[in-house]
Formats: sequence, C-alpha cells, structure tokens
Amino acid sequence: AQSVTQLDSHVSVSEGTPVLLRCNYSSSYSPSLFWYVQHPNKGLQLLLKYTSAATLVKGINGFEAEFKKSETSFHLTKPSAHMSDAAEYFCVVSRRDTGRRALTFGSGTRLQVQP
Amino acid sequence: DVKVTQSSRYLVKRTGEKVFLECVQDMDHENMFWYRQDPGLGLRLIYFSYDVKMKEKGDIPEGYSVSREKKERFSLILESASTNQTSMYLCASRGIDGTEAFFGQGTRLTVV
Repeated sequence: AQSVTQLDSHVSVSEGTPVLLRCNYSSSYSPSLFWYVQHPNKGLQLLLKYTSAATLVKGINGFEAEFKKSETSFHLTKPSAHMSDAAEYFCVVSRRDTGRRALTFGSGTRLQVQP
Repeated sequence: DVKVTQSSRYLVKRTGEKVFLECVQDMDHENMFWYRQDPGLGLRLIYFSYDVKMKEKGDIPEGYSVSREKKERFSLILESASTNQTSMYLCASRGIDGTEAFFGQGTRLTVV
C-alpha cells in the first residue's frame, strides 16, 4: 500500500522569494517519487523524479527536491519564485521495482506567486 | 517527442448516454492508466492495464469500464453517464521499467 500527503493545499509567495511545497509519503515498498506540475488548462508535466540514485534531485526550471527516508518526506523547493511558477503541483509515489503499478497522487498544492 | 493523445479536449454528454474516451500512446509502453481529476482530490485511479486485453480496477472503478485491444490504445467507457461523472479525465502511459508516467492533455467531460 502507498499514500501521499501534501501538507498545504495552497501556498502563496512573493516573486523572488523561496518556494517550499511539502510532501510526506508512505509505501510498503522501496518508492520512486515524482513531482508533477499542471498549469491552467494544461496537461501534467514531470518536474523531477527520485528513483534511487542521489537523494537530492534537480529538476526543470530551478526546482529541486530531497528524498529523506527517515522522515518519509520529499519536499519541493526553489530558491526564487517566478510568476510563471504559478500552477498546481502534485507529489506522486510509486513502487520502484516495476512500472506495472499505478502512481498514487497527493491532493495537490496550488502555488500562487504575488508580484 | 513522446506523446499520449486523448481524442477530445471537451465533451458534453447527456445523462444515460454511453460515452467513449479514447487514448493513444506512441511510446510502445506496456502500462496505461485512466485517472479522474477533481478539485481538492488530486488524481484518482479508475482503471489500468499492463498488457493487451488485461485490466485491473483502480480506486474508483464503479460506473466505468475499459478496453485495450491494441497495445497503443486504451479506452475508457461510461456505460450510462451520470452527472457525478462530470470531471477531468487523464490518460497516462508508463514503461515497464518503473520510471515516470506520461500524460495526455485531458478530456473535460460535462454530463448534463
């Protein structure tokens, strides 16, 4: 069994300030973890993924996340927010050993960026 | 460029109609999925398929069925559409290696 909890449904930051989107997971198996972003009226785009290599993962558009097994967390960060980062972000967990299992999504965090 | 293509972006159907949502992927992926997205609930898995003619129920399969006759195509069927099936439907595919899934643009279905 696996599940994901995104701790904030909405986060609001000012442009140029850091972004932190929090995610905790549980999994009976060794997990793969992903962050996806969804801009309004667009499909889901992969931001970054952790699949057992380095625990600090760098993604697109300056985002990164750190896998912390002891805390069962996979928080998403960015040093400086840009207006174009306003979107909904989903933390996702899956079994690492096979693609024959679905991805389990968190309920999403809507990021608002103020000018 | 890899692609998952859903046949419609927007659909409006009447209560009781049979509705087909089609999804095609060009990545030769074994695994395909149908999710439903509702505000505040994230994405919930309806059905998935790991091979042609194989299917497994997800978390919310009631009122839905699926068909996978060819590897590249995965169809979601609403046998008798109801207003509580008004939602965004997302198709995804994923390779056997367990890395990321690729998503279609979504179909926004309204049942009136």
